[in-house]
Amino acid sequence: QQQVKQSPQSLIVQKGGIPIINCAYENTAFDYFPWYQQFPGKGPALLIAIRPDVSEKKEGRFTISFNKSAKQFSLHIMDSQPGDSATYFCAASKGNQFYFGTGTSLTVIP
Amino acid sequence: NAGVMQNPRHLVRRRGQEARLRCSPMKGHSHVYWYRQLPEEGLKFMVYLQKENIIDESGMPKERFSAEFPKEGPSILRIQQVVRGDSAAYFCASSRGTGREKLFFGSGTQLSVL
Repeated sequence: QQQVKQSPQSLIVQKGGIPIINCAYENTAFDYFPWYQQFPGKGPALLIAIRPDVSEKKEGRFTISFNKSAKQFSLHIMDSQPGDSATYFCAASKGNQFYFGTGTSLTVIP
Repeated sequence: NAGVMQNPRHLVRRRGQEARLRCSPMKGHSHVYWYRQLPEEGLKFMVYLQKENIIDESGMPKERFSAEFPKEGPSILRIQQVVRGDSAAYFCASSRGTGREKLFFGSGTQLSVL
């Protein structure tokens, strides 16, 4: 049973575009929602995270939008760059238990 | 401040051999997680450990796989009698274990079974 559902599986955008990756969850007990970025041959790295008491969080060009009633959250990448090409994972956690989405492979075309 | 250290980075084994993957958590972290990643797939949870305790092993295959996190030394993921299907990237992550955690990953061990 997939605790966190992520879409799309892959995404191609032009440089400067705004890719959006979506995630949905069922368990309302989750209280922490991080996003991870993974480059080929590397481990996932924490990118940005949000708690359910806020609806939006921005860090540089990365924004998380959180809709608690819909149990959905999304990652927006503003002014995307070729260097943003990577796989992105959303996750949801309660305490020390983490559940990851299946990942989105993003390609930003120069 | 060193991050999560995994070794070896690459491990090649023949079918039937044993594979031992090591993970040293970040300084101050007492919780370790192991994940497996197959090409074009996401991160599959395997096991979650504290020092000397297995907290959740619901993602571990019932046979051939075991994990430990001793009082001293790194966490070890052990795969006995490896088969081709065990070929994957294995990632370790660590956290402080105080709740509402940030999880930090190592660079992974790429296991290839010939």
